[in-house]
Amino acid sequence: DAGVIQSPRHEVTEMGQEVTLRCKPISGHDYLFWYRQTMMRGLELLIYFNNNVPIDDSGMPEDRFSAKMPNASFSTLKIQPSEPRDSAVYFCASSKTAPNEQFFGPGTRLTVL
Amino acid sequence: DQQVKQNSPSLSVQEGRISILNCDYTNSMFDYFLWYKKYPAEGPTFLISISSIKDKNEDGRFTVFLNKSAKHLSLHIVPSQPGDSAVYFCAASGGGGADGLTFGKGTHLIIQP
Repeated sequence: DAGVIQSPRHEVTEMGQEVTLRCKPISGHDYLFWYRQTMMRGLELLIYFNNNVPIDDSGMPEDRFSAKMPNASFSTLKIQPSEPRDSAVYFCASSKTAPNEQFFGPGTRLTVL
Repeated sequence: DQQVKQNSPSLSVQEGRISILNCDYTNSMFDYFLWYKKYPAEGPTFLISISSIKDKNEDGRFTVFLNKSAKHLSLHIVPSQPGDSAVYFCAASGGGGADGLTFGKGTHLIIQP
């Protein structure tokens, strides 16, 4: 299995632009998680899905953030408009069941200028 | 308010010796605990986990101990090897029934030859 795939690996954009991060979970995994890592806050859960349905989005920082999972093999995290404080590494993870072992993707390093 | 705390940002251990990484938590609803290992520019990789009904779980060189009364867990690595140099994250789940993970800020383990 290829593991969790995230794209792009690096994204540099200007303040005010829309940013879309993409994730392909491991086939057969029913749970998909989006995390964000910053120096100040560490790794924090943003939102997670079970069988393509958003279950808990209490970690999404603001209305500028939105996430979708249109099918079992694809999810997006969108930031519109982006701000410099959104600069972070965004990780996608998937698992067969929760809260068991989650498999993480390599992350997307986002820089908002 | 940090619910999972790793109070040592870094730890240096000689190759062949035992490495002990510590983690404390405050949420008594947590019932499942995991350790992840992370290399630079990669996503976290699952290492070992423990359910709250146990006090010890062992997997090769890695052992996790859980002290529920003290709300404390530790990861023992013996013997330590150069490839163990990485950032180790403690994570917990179960607080309020959530399936996402709450992470500590990590401990950077450095194995010296």
